[in-house]
Amino acid sequence: QLQLQESGPRLVKASETLSLTCTVSGGSVDTYYWSWIRQPPGKGLEWIGDIYYRGRTNYNPSLRRRVTVSVDPSNNQLSLKLTSVTPADTAIYYCAREDGGRSSGERFDYWGQGTLVTVSS
Amino acid sequence: SSELTQDPVVSVALGQTVRITCQGDSLRSYYASWYQQKPGQAPVLVIYGKNNRPSGIPDRFSGSISGNTTSLTITGAQAEDEADYHCNCRDTSGYYWVFGGGTKLTVL
Repeated sequence: QLQLQESGPRLVKASETLSLTCTVSGGSVDTYYWSWIRQPPGKGLEWIGDIYYRGRTNYNPSLRRRVTVSVDPSNNQLSLKLTSVTPADTAIYYCAREDGGRSSGERFDYWGQGTLVTVSS
Repeated sequence: SSELTQDPVVSVALGQTVRITCQGDSLRSYYASWYQQKPGQAPVLVIYGKNNRPSGIPDRFSGSISGNTTSLTITGAQAEDEADYHCNCRDTSGYYWVFGGGTKLTVL
């Protein structure tokens, strides 16, 4: 059974960089696309960006200037860096696996439990 | 890019049928997926593609699409179906993902 686990600092100061890691177990990051998704408290989901293990990335245009997503196949991990954070970046951050194709229907089939990151002013 | 629009709140009587809708231009080109999220938990995939359920999802959950609107239908809603439901799809460019604002389903 594939499992994803997010980890990293729970509290970040405004203007600093948010850094999170997602450790994948029960499967390999050497296939599939992997996404980061966030959810501010009491609000909806927002896609941040994704990566294929060979390094191809796509980022939400609204966050592109501040986001870097990378993958470390040797440790079976993904990472997220979000620079110049503000209190508006306070959210639960999830990593998730993308599966499927256009004909069958793309989806996020496995999710981590999420980690709440608070940005203090 | 494109947006997906959901009704913020929907209610259904126990045992009745409810339809939760999601509208957006990209739905004309890409299938949506639906996620159930209970308080304090991560989202769970319930419907994807034309009308596919992952293993373990009850068959009372079904999906459909018409034009720019996709729907999640729960036939015979149960108390445990009370949750937030999020739709998701590629945007019109095909490179990015977008989510609807979510629908809070109350089972009365």
